[in-house]
Order: sequence, then structure tokens, then C-alpha cells
Amino acid sequence: GAVVSQHPSRVICKSGTSVKIECRSLDFQATTMFWYRQFPKKSLMLMATSNEGSKATYEQGVEKDKFLINHASLTLSTLTVTSAHPEDSSFYICSSGGKGNQPQHFGDGTRLSIL
Amino acid sequence: GENVEQHPSTLSVQEGDSAVIKCTYSDSASNYFPWYKQELGKRPQLIIDIRSNVGEKKDQRIAVTLNKTAKHFSLHITETQPEDSAVYFCAASKGVTGGGNKLTFGTGTQLKVEL
Repeated sequence: GAVVSQHPSRVICKSGTSVKIECRSLDFQATTMFWYRQFPKKSLMLMATSNEGSKATYEQGVEKDKFLINHASLTLSTLTVTSAHPEDSSFYICSSGGKGNQPQHFGDGTRLSIL
Repeated sequence: GENVEQHPSTLSVQEGDSAVIKCTYSDSASNYFPWYKQELGKRPQLIIDIRSNVGEKKDQRIAVTLNKTAKHFSLHITETQPEDSAVYFCAASKGVTGGGNKLTFGTGTQLKVEL
């Protein structure tokens, strides 16, 4: 089945730092990758959809200049939280399912803590 | 856009009893409905899914039913065990499968199976 590898699993850094999160598809071509944000005891909120070779599609209310997404290859999508502040602290998680009848599978998530 | 409501938010059952979680969706074009189980601090894991051309699907102790007319679907867990304790999310998506189509998640149900 589809496997998505996400790194890093945990980041603790100072306010103002930019943080890059990577998601790789290990056994399929991820034409599309979805990026979610999850607050404690809350549901997953879609932030943006990244498409290989084209610009990402952001959900309403998500700042594209704050959350930079790059999907340069069929196996790698990255999310960069620029100039992170404490309110950006959250659990970020990616998912993809490739093409055809593959259901979506999630990466292990990245817990971001901004001090 | 799609709106998915999920009830109850918390559910406590005795070991061996059945648990039922219900979701409703708003967009009649949605036709793929997966259920995910998420343990604390971990990624959501797909446990069962159903497509709109099917009314019911079963996998061992887990079953999902779909009523397209009423736009609601339910997760049924029989003979619950302590390891079933987790947060369960329903989701809805358009397209044949969830692979390349974004998911809209419900608000989640915290299931606790007590000994």
C-alpha cells in the first residue's frame, strides 16, 4: 500500500525561525500531496494541496507567503513555515494517495513547537 | 464547500459492547467516505472506507453504512476492545476515490472502551 514518509517528527525552535517539513512517497508517485494542520483535540484542517510541477492551491484563510509549498518531483513535497511564531505551533501532517483507486495515507506528522 | 458533521464527540462503552459513530455531509457530489483512527500523537490510519455505489461494507468487527438520500454514514464497531480506544474521524471526498481528491473531515469522536 501507499507509504508516506514525513520528516522531521518533532521540531522545537525559536520565534522567527523558518522550518521545512518534508513528505516523501516511498512506493508510488504522489502527483498530489495534501497538507493539514491539527490543533490538540481538534480535527484535521486542510491547509493546501500541492501538485507536482505547479503552484499549490491554498485553502481560504491560509497565508501562502507564510506556508510555502514546493512539489518539485513526484516523490517529494515540502512545507516551509516561514518566520514561525508561537501561534504556528501545531501538528502538521501530509497525506497522499497517488492515482487510481489508492486511498489517502498519512505521514507520521511533525509536531512543531515555537518558543 | 463540503461540511461534515460528526456525533458524538465522546463515546464511552464497556468492553464487548458495540459503538456507533454517525456523520452527515452536505455536498451531494461527495461519493467517497473513509474512516480514520488516530491514537494520541500519531497519524490517522484508514480503517475502512465506502464508495457511494455501496450501501454497506464490513471488515471483521468494523462496518460502515451509507445513506445517500439522507446524506449520512455511520461507523459500527462490534465487540469493542480496549485497543479500540482512540479518536475516530469520518471524512468525505468527491471523485472515485480519495487518492487525488481532498478530504473534508468530521470533528472527531473520542472513543473510550472501559474494562
